[in-house]
Amino acid sequence: NAGVTQTPKFRVLKTGQSMTLLCAQDMNHEYMYWYRQDPGMGLRLIHYSVGEGTTAKGEVPDGYNVSRLKKQNFLLGLESAAPSQTSVYFCASRMTSGASHEQYFGPGTRLTVT
Amino acid sequence: AQSVTQPDIHITVSEGASLELRCNYSYGATPYLFWYVQSPGQGLQLLLKYFSGDTLVQGIKGFEAEFKRSQSSFNLRKPSVHWSDAAEYFCAVGADDYKLSFGAGTTVTVRA
Repeated sequence: NAGVTQTPKFRVLKTGQSMTLLCAQDMNHEYMYWYRQDPGMGLRLIHYSVGEGTTAKGEVPDGYNVSRLKKQNFLLGLESAAPSQTSVYFCASRMTSGASHEQYFGPGTRLTVT
Repeated sequence: AQSVTQPDIHITVSEGASLELRCNYSYGATPYLFWYVQSPGQGLQLLLKYFSGDTLVQGIKGFEAEFKRSQSSFNLRKPSVHWSDAAEYFCAVGADDYKLSFGAGTTVTVRA
């Protein structure tokens, strides 16, 4: 059981370039999330998904798009990267039943936009 | 919507001393509460959680937390800190909308 994995681990982009971050989970979780982590601000929710084919905006969605074509994968896209998107990005997932709301996190992707 | 405040940005504690990290939440109903730990360069690991029952919850690595409804608090404690406890700690609150709200985090430094 790999849990939640993220690809890539590190990336450097130039302003205006695009990229896609991949999150995969093998726990058959229904819900998946993308967060960004910035110093002094904790984790802020970018987008989330409550099931295959569905996505919703979180707290800071501007400049990002997501897709959930398969239950196990949740993709985060940056169409035109900006320096303000320099951050560490975390993916998380959780099950629907059990109602404890515990989220399982991936190891993170460190993105630098120059 | 729910929110979380961690009043202490940084705490320094001596190895072997006790540690208490504060967390206050805002939510109208009974929340789901969590403490996560993040070691440098790593992802988040769940320390403990509360969603019902006994208000004193035990977690991994010798940590415990107490839910106090009257104070809207969920403070994390450890009786004797080890050097490996140096990390950033996040309190989070969940509601019935699938989401968690995180505090800004408390960085713990352990001195020898």
